[in-house]
Amino acid sequence: GAVVSQHPSWVICKSGTSVKIECRSLDFQATTMFWYRQFPKQSLMLMATSNEGSKATYEQGVEKDKFLINHASLTLSTLTVTSAHPEDSSFYICSVSPPGLYGYTFGSGTRLTVV
Amino acid sequence: AQSVTQPDIHITVSEGASLELRCNYSYGATPYLFWYVQSPGQGLQLLLKYFSGDTLVQGIKGFEAEFKRSQSSFNLRKPSVHWSDAAEYFCAVVSFGNEKLTFGTGTRLTIIP
Repeated sequence: GAVVSQHPSWVICKSGTSVKIECRSLDFQATTMFWYRQFPKQSLMLMATSNEGSKATYEQGVEKDKFLINHASLTLSTLTVTSAHPEDSSFYICSVSPPGLYGYTFGSGTRLTVV
Repeated sequence: AQSVTQPDIHITVSEGASLELRCNYSYGATPYLFWYVQSPGQGLQLLLKYFSGDTLVQGIKGFEAEFKRSQSSFNLRKPSVHWSDAAEYFCAVVSFGNEKLTFGTGTRLTIIP
Protein backbone atom coordinates (compact mmCIF):
# COMPACT_ATOMS: atom_id res chain seq x y z
CA GLY A 1 0.00 0.00 0.00
CA ALA A 2 0.91 3.65 -0.22
CA VAL A 3 3.10 5.30 2.37
CA VAL A 4 2.42 8.88 3.36
CA SER A 5 4.68 10.98 5.53
CA GLN A 6 3.33 14.09 7.21
CA HIS A 7 5.50 16.60 8.98
CA PRO A 8 5.58 18.03 11.58
CA SER A 9 3.52 15.82 13.86
CA TRP A 10 2.87 18.75 16.14
CA VAL A 11 3.58 22.45 16.14
CA ILE A 12 2.94 25.36 18.45
CA CYS A 13 3.00 28.83 16.99
CA LYS A 14 2.18 32.34 18.05
CA SER A 15 -0.93 34.06 16.87
CA GLY A 16 -0.32 35.95 13.63
CA THR A 17 2.45 33.73 12.36
CA SER A 18 2.28 31.20 9.53
CA VAL A 19 2.81 27.48 9.72
CA LYS A 20 3.64 25.07 6.92
CA ILE A 21 2.66 21.41 7.00
CA GLU A 22 4.14 18.94 4.54
CA CYS A 23 2.61 15.81 3.13
CA ARG A 24 4.82 13.45 1.16
CA SER A 25 3.89 10.41 -0.86
CA LEU A 26 6.88 8.15 -0.44
CA ASP A 27 6.28 5.32 -2.82
CA PHE A 28 4.16 6.57 -5.68
CA GLN A 29 3.43 9.72 -7.59
CA ALA A 30 0.32 11.44 -6.32
CA THR A 31 -1.36 13.83 -8.71
CA THR A 32 -4.03 14.42 -6.11
CA MET A 33 -3.78 14.80 -2.37
CA PHE A 34 -6.44 15.69 0.15
CA TRP A 35 -6.30 17.87 3.24
CA TYR A 36 -8.62 17.32 6.18
CA ARG A 37 -9.22 19.10 9.42
CA GLN A 38 -10.38 17.42 12.58
CA PHE A 39 -11.57 19.16 15.72
CA PRO A 40 -11.34 17.31 19.05
CA LYS A 41 -13.77 14.43 19.28
CA GLN A 42 -15.17 15.21 15.86
CA SER A 43 -15.00 13.72 12.42
CA LEU A 44 -12.74 14.66 9.55
CA MET A 45 -13.83 17.45 7.30
CA LEU A 46 -12.36 17.76 3.84
CA MET A 47 -10.77 21.17 3.40
CA ALA A 48 -9.36 20.98 -0.07
CA THR A 49 -8.13 18.79 -2.87
CA SER A 50 -4.57 19.45 -3.87
CA ASN A 51 -3.80 19.02 -7.56
CA GLU A 52 -0.27 18.72 -8.85
CA GLY A 53 0.64 21.61 -11.09
CA SER A 54 -2.63 23.45 -10.68
CA LYS A 55 -4.70 25.29 -8.14
CA ALA A 56 -6.22 23.46 -5.24
CA THR A 57 -9.95 22.96 -5.05
CA TYR A 58 -11.36 24.20 -1.79
CA GLU A 59 -14.51 23.02 -0.09
CA GLN A 60 -17.26 25.44 0.63
CA GLY A 61 -16.51 27.59 3.64
CA VAL A 62 -12.76 27.07 3.59
CA GLU A 63 -10.78 30.27 3.14
CA LYS A 64 -8.27 29.73 0.37
CA ASP A 65 -6.24 32.76 1.40
CA LYS A 66 -6.01 31.43 4.94
CA PHE A 67 -5.09 27.89 4.00
CA LEU A 68 -2.61 28.00 1.16
CA ILE A 69 -2.00 24.74 -0.64
CA ASN A 70 0.91 24.07 -2.93
CA HIS A 71 1.34 20.84 -4.84
CA ALA A 72 4.51 21.56 -6.75
CA SER A 73 5.63 18.00 -7.29
CA LEU A 74 4.09 14.57 -7.60
CA THR A 75 5.29 13.61 -4.15
CA LEU A 76 4.79 16.72 -2.08
CA SER A 77 1.84 18.87 -1.08
CA THR A 78 2.07 21.60 1.52
CA LEU A 79 -0.59 23.33 3.57
CA THR A 80 0.31 26.72 4.96
CA VAL A 81 -1.89 28.21 7.64
CA THR A 82 -1.36 31.94 7.25
CA SER A 83 -1.77 34.48 10.03
CA ALA A 84 -2.80 31.74 12.38
CA HIS A 85 -5.25 32.39 15.18
CA PRO A 86 -6.26 30.25 18.14
CA GLU A 87 -9.39 29.12 16.30
CA ASP A 88 -7.13 27.52 13.69
CA SER A 89 -5.85 25.13 16.33
CA SER A 90 -6.81 21.70 15.13
CA PHE A 91 -5.57 18.36 13.84
CA TYR A 92 -4.72 18.47 10.14
CA ILE A 93 -4.41 15.27 8.13
CA CYS A 94 -3.48 14.65 4.54
CA SER A 95 -4.30 11.66 2.40
CA VAL A 96 -3.52 10.21 -0.98
CA SER A 97 -5.34 7.78 -3.18
CA PRO A 98 -3.08 5.52 -5.22
CA PRO A 99 -4.53 5.16 -8.71
CA GLY A 100 -6.39 1.99 -9.42
CA LEU A 101 -6.70 0.96 -5.81
CA TYR A 102 -9.44 3.30 -4.62
CA GLY A 103 -8.02 3.09 -1.14
CA TYR A 104 -7.01 6.15 0.77
CA THR A 105 -3.86 6.30 2.82
CA PHE A 106 -3.57 8.93 5.50
CA GLY A 107 -0.66 10.73 7.01
CA SER A 108 -0.15 10.60 10.75
CA GLY A 109 -1.54 14.08 11.17
CA THR A 110 -0.30 17.40 12.51
CA ARG A 111 -1.52 18.87 15.76
CA LEU A 112 -1.46 22.65 15.44
CA THR A 113 -1.78 24.78 18.52
CA VAL A 114 -1.91 28.54 18.13
CA VAL A 115 -1.21 30.53 21.27
CA ALA B 1 -25.14 14.17 -1.97
CA GLN B 2 -23.56 11.22 -0.27
CA SER B 3 -23.67 11.01 3.52
CA VAL B 4 -22.74 8.61 6.27
CA THR B 5 -24.41 8.11 9.63
CA GLN B 6 -22.86 6.40 12.61
CA PRO B 7 -25.67 6.30 15.19
CA ASP B 8 -23.50 5.35 18.14
CA ILE B 9 -21.21 8.07 19.46
CA HIS B 10 -19.69 5.90 22.16
CA ILE B 11 -19.76 2.18 22.79
CA THR B 12 -18.31 0.29 25.73
CA VAL B 13 -17.71 -3.44 25.59
CA SER B 14 -15.92 -5.92 27.76
CA GLU B 15 -12.69 -7.44 26.58
CA GLY B 16 -13.44 -10.70 24.82
CA ALA B 17 -17.00 -9.71 23.97
CA SER B 18 -18.30 -9.32 20.45
CA LEU B 19 -18.61 -5.94 18.78
CA GLU B 20 -20.80 -4.39 16.14
CA LEU B 21 -20.46 -0.78 15.03
CA ARG B 22 -23.23 0.59 12.89
CA CYS B 23 -22.90 2.57 9.70
CA ASN B 24 -25.62 3.73 7.34
CA TYR B 25 -25.02 5.56 4.11
CA SER B 26 -27.10 7.62 1.78
CA TYR B 27 -26.30 7.46 -1.88
CA GLY B 28 -28.24 6.66 -5.04
CA ALA B 29 -25.93 4.08 -6.54
CA THR B 30 -23.63 1.54 -5.00
CA PRO B 31 -21.00 3.41 -3.08
CA TYR B 32 -17.48 2.48 -2.17
CA LEU B 33 -17.40 1.96 1.59
CA PHE B 34 -14.58 2.04 4.09
CA TRP B 35 -13.92 1.57 7.77
CA TYR B 36 -10.99 3.36 9.38
CA VAL B 37 -9.62 3.29 12.88
CA GLN B 38 -7.90 6.18 14.61
CA SER B 39 -5.94 6.00 17.82
CA PRO B 40 -5.62 9.22 19.85
CA GLY B 41 -3.43 11.78 18.13
CA GLN B 42 -2.81 9.52 15.18
CA GLY B 43 -3.77 9.33 11.56
CA LEU B 44 -6.27 6.88 10.15
CA GLN B 45 -5.64 3.24 9.39
CA LEU B 46 -7.77 1.39 6.88
CA LEU B 47 -9.49 -1.65 8.36
CA LEU B 48 -11.38 -2.78 5.28
CA LYS B 49 -13.19 -1.60 2.20
CA TYR B 50 -16.03 -2.68 -0.05
CA PHE B 51 -16.30 -1.99 -3.73
CA SER B 52 -18.30 -4.87 -5.16
CA GLY B 53 -18.65 -8.62 -5.05
CA ASP B 54 -18.96 -10.59 -1.84
CA THR B 55 -20.92 -8.49 0.61
CA LEU B 56 -19.00 -9.82 3.59
CA VAL B 57 -15.59 -8.21 3.68
CA GLN B 58 -12.68 -9.32 5.80
CA GLY B 59 -10.23 -6.79 7.10
CA ILE B 60 -7.21 -6.49 9.29
CA LYS B 61 -7.06 -7.13 13.03
CA GLY B 62 -9.90 -9.65 12.86
CA PHE B 63 -12.55 -7.18 11.73
CA GLU B 64 -15.20 -7.82 9.14
CA ALA B 65 -18.06 -5.81 7.68
CA GLU B 66 -21.20 -6.71 5.80
CA PHE B 67 -22.70 -4.60 3.06
CA LYS B 68 -26.49 -4.73 3.05
CA ARG B 69 -27.94 -2.79 0.16
CA SER B 70 -31.54 -3.20 1.36
CA GLN B 71 -30.66 -1.52 4.64
CA SER B 72 -28.06 0.90 3.26
CA SER B 73 -25.75 -0.38 5.94
CA PHE B 74 -22.14 -1.40 6.28
CA ASN B 75 -21.74 -2.52 9.88
CA LEU B 76 -18.37 -3.43 11.32
CA ARG B 77 -18.02 -6.52 13.48
CA LYS B 78 -15.46 -8.36 15.52
CA PRO B 79 -16.18 -11.60 17.38
CA SER B 80 -13.88 -10.91 20.32
CA VAL B 81 -12.41 -7.52 21.12
CA HIS B 82 -9.03 -6.87 22.64
CA TRP B 83 -8.02 -3.97 24.86
CA SER B 84 -5.91 -2.65 21.97
CA ASP B 85 -9.08 -2.17 19.90
CA ALA B 86 -10.00 0.87 21.98
CA ALA B 87 -10.00 3.74 19.49
CA GLU B 88 -12.22 5.90 17.31
CA TYR B 89 -13.81 4.20 14.33
CA PHE B 90 -14.94 5.98 11.22
CA CYS B 91 -17.12 4.77 8.41
CA ALA B 92 -16.59 6.54 5.10
CA VAL B 93 -18.08 6.55 1.63
CA VAL B 94 -16.99 7.69 -1.79
CA SER B 95 -19.05 7.64 -4.93
CA PHE B 96 -17.83 6.36 -8.25
CA GLY B 97 -16.13 9.10 -10.20
CA ASN B 98 -15.83 11.32 -7.13
CA GLU B 99 -12.64 10.96 -5.15
CA LYS B 100 -13.87 12.79 -2.08
CA LEU B 101 -14.27 10.70 1.02
CA THR B 102 -17.21 11.55 3.24
CA PHE B 103 -16.81 10.46 6.84
CA GLY B 104 -19.32 9.56 9.47
CA THR B 105 -19.12 11.27 12.83
CA GLY B 106 -17.23 8.36 14.34
CA THR B 107 -17.82 5.90 17.15
CA ARG B 108 -15.54 5.87 20.15
CA LEU B 109 -14.91 2.37 21.42
CA THR B 110 -13.97 1.79 25.04
CA ILE B 111 -12.89 -1.63 26.25
CA ILE B 112 -13.34 -2.60 29.88
CA PRO B 113 -11.49 -5.48 31.53
